Amino acid sequence: SQQGEEDPQALSIQEGENATMNCSYKTSINNLQWYRQNSGRGLVHLILIRSNEREKHSGRLRVTLDTSKKSSSLLITASRAADTASYFCATDGWNSGYALNFGKGTSLLVTP
Amino acid sequence: ADVTQTPRNGITKTGKRIMLECSQTKGHDRMYWYRQDPGMGLRLIHYSVGEGTTAKGEVPDGYNVSRLKKQNFLLGLESAAPSQTSVYFCVSSYLLGPSEQYFGPGTRLTVT
Repeated sequence: SQQGEEDPQALSIQEGENATMNCSYKTSINNLQWYRQNSGRGLVHLILIRSNEREKHSGRLRVTLDTSKKSSSLLITASRAADTASYFCATDGWNSGYALNFGKGTSLLVTP
Repeated sequence: ADVTQTPRNGITKTGKRIMLECSQTKGHDRMYWYRQDPGMGLRLIHYSVGEGTTAKGEVPDGYNVSRLKKQNFLLGLESAAPSQTSVYFCVSSYLLGPSEQYFGPGTRLTVT
């Protein structure tokens, strides 16, 4: 079942601006992951944050996790046109062989 | 590519049998089949935590799977239905605990 819900559903910004996407989930998690999907492609893993971590960085990406609010955010700084894609948060559970529960995604458009 | 899928595109008729193949070269124990539909996000169909084992996911009806070899995970539609028109992703990951998942490029299947 879908656990994560991203907000907003769609986001349009200009190059150089920061993009912030949020994710809320319902039940306890072990970790939360963010993925990117370019049109017509498979999802690509961006970053994993464990339940005992509050913030994580990877290049221009910053992820925060607030387990008390059951929410996470993905910040992309100094966005580029190449960042145009859909972004998904995913939570895992103890069952289903650690299969991920994906949200419906945020569609990000970065215009030059 | 670490995870490959065949075919990449497929068209079949209602009631026909079709098999989607997935192969991974990373030696992963866990493999999954998801389907992705507009507005629905990704939903887990079946998964496997090791060679010779399979289990049902969120939406298993109308699908069967087999994992005879560690590197291969087959998804079968015994009697295809228009509702199974979708993009199918094969995914693999390591066995031990939560970890990033590696996506195949997807199979776009149309059932007429």
